[in-house]
Amino acid sequence: QVQLQESGPGLVKPSQTLSLTCTAFGGSISRGNYYWSWIRQPAGKGLEWIGRIYASGGTNYSPSLKSRVTISVDTSKNQFSLKLNSVTAADTALYYCARANWGSGGYFDLWGRGTLVTVSS
Amino acid sequence: FILTQPHSVSESPGKTVTISCTRSSGSIASSFVQWYQQRPDSSPIAVIFEDNRRPSGVPDRFSGAIDSSSNSASLTISGLKTEDEADYYCQSFDGSNHLFGGGTKLTVL
Repeated sequence: QVQLQESGPGLVKPSQTLSLTCTAFGGSISRGNYYWSWIRQPAGKGLEWIGRIYASGGTNYSPSLKSRVTISVDTSKNQFSLKLNSVTAADTALYYCARANWGSGGYFDLWGRGTLVTVSS
Repeated sequence: FILTQPHSVSESPGKTVTISCTRSSGSIASSFVQWYQQRPDSSPIAVIFEDNRRPSGVPDRFSGAIDSSSNSASLTISGLKTEDEADYYCQSFDGSNHLFGGGTKLTVL
């Protein structure tokens, strides 16, 4: 049974770069009809999709974050990563990594537990 | 486009509730709609995908539909249980962009 686990600093200073990694345990990130996404949720608010990456390396980003986001994949480590630069307090949120099944309408069928990132000096 | 959901709904155990998700522009039928349940302090889980399909393990009390006349999708939960109390999010696509509705808090009282 595949599980996803987010990791990275819980505190980032304003204007700096937020960096998170998602590791897939129990299955290969390269197998199956999947793509891999980052989604965030500010406290008490709704879900916001950040972007996705395929195991091949192809990416798509949310238009509202595109200028600040980079998602990369390292299949040898079974990981994919998020970098969000020039962060502000508005980027404070619970960050989830998730797997989407593109063979089934692209729904998110597996989520990590989320990692809280606070942007503060 | 944006997806608009009611902020909250409430209903009694054993009853049926329907949560709407209205697409502001473009046809609701032009891209799949998924629904996610998020209980407090938990990660979301999918309860409906491809408009009206249930993932394995989701009880058939959950059903989804789309209505072109109102340009909206809906999630219906029948035989409500207290464990259904959660936030529910619809999600669809604008090209490669994944859009979520604002979420609906379901209270079962």
